[in-house]
Amino acid sequence: DAEITQSPRHKITETGRQVTLACHQTWNHNNMFWYRQDLGHGLRLIHYSYGVQDTNKGEVSDGYSVSRSNTEDLPLTLESAASSQTSVYFCASRTSRNTGELFFGEGSRLTVL
Amino acid sequence: AQSVTQLGSHVSVSEGALVLLRCNYSSSVPPYLFWYVQYPNQGLQLLLKYTSAATLVKGINGFEAEFKKSETSFHLTKPSAHMSDAAEYFCAVSDPVYNQGGKLIFGQGTELSVKP
Repeated sequence: DAEITQSPRHKITETGRQVTLACHQTWNHNNMFWYRQDLGHGLRLIHYSYGVQDTNKGEVSDGYSVSRSNTEDLPLTLESAASSQTSVYFCASRTSRNTGELFFGEGSRLTVL
Repeated sequence: AQSVTQLGSHVSVSEGALVLLRCNYSSSVPPYLFWYVQYPNQGLQLLLKYTSAATLVKGINGFEAEFKKSETSFHLTKPSAHMSDAAEYFCAVSDPVYNQGGKLIFGQGTELSVKP
């Protein structure tokens, strides 16, 4: 079955370190998204991509970057982790139809000490 | 720009009672609307969606939602709550600007508790 997987599921790091969260989907979806989930804020969009070599900033993109070198993967990098980036991160993918369902990974819980 | 407002961050009902979770949207064009559910320590999964066909949409686990354009609402209901319905529920609107499977804009979520 097609799926979307995130790794690591749990990560503890220190302030200032670079961290990369992996996202891999086998749906062959062109569109991929990274959200962060925090109490009281719901899901906020960090970055998204509509295809290979395409990346776009979401509403909370400061301190994060993504790259899209193939259809399956959209890694999220925190260049210099900050305590404010402690959160649960969700990757999601979707077909190129506006009626299509967004499929989510199980999340990566990141703690920045 | 699209936006979604969920009224009530926490809703508590008794088992067997009606579930009503409220969602209002703002959109300059006809929207596509979604309800997602999140169980503890899991990702989100689709409950139902409105894509400009029937205004009353039926989803999984006995949930349904009605699109009311005049009220800009898409409230989620279930006639009889079950303990297994306890979860967080998110309403979302699809950004139609790109018209190519664009980003979903989520509400802040409503946590549903079900009392025995």
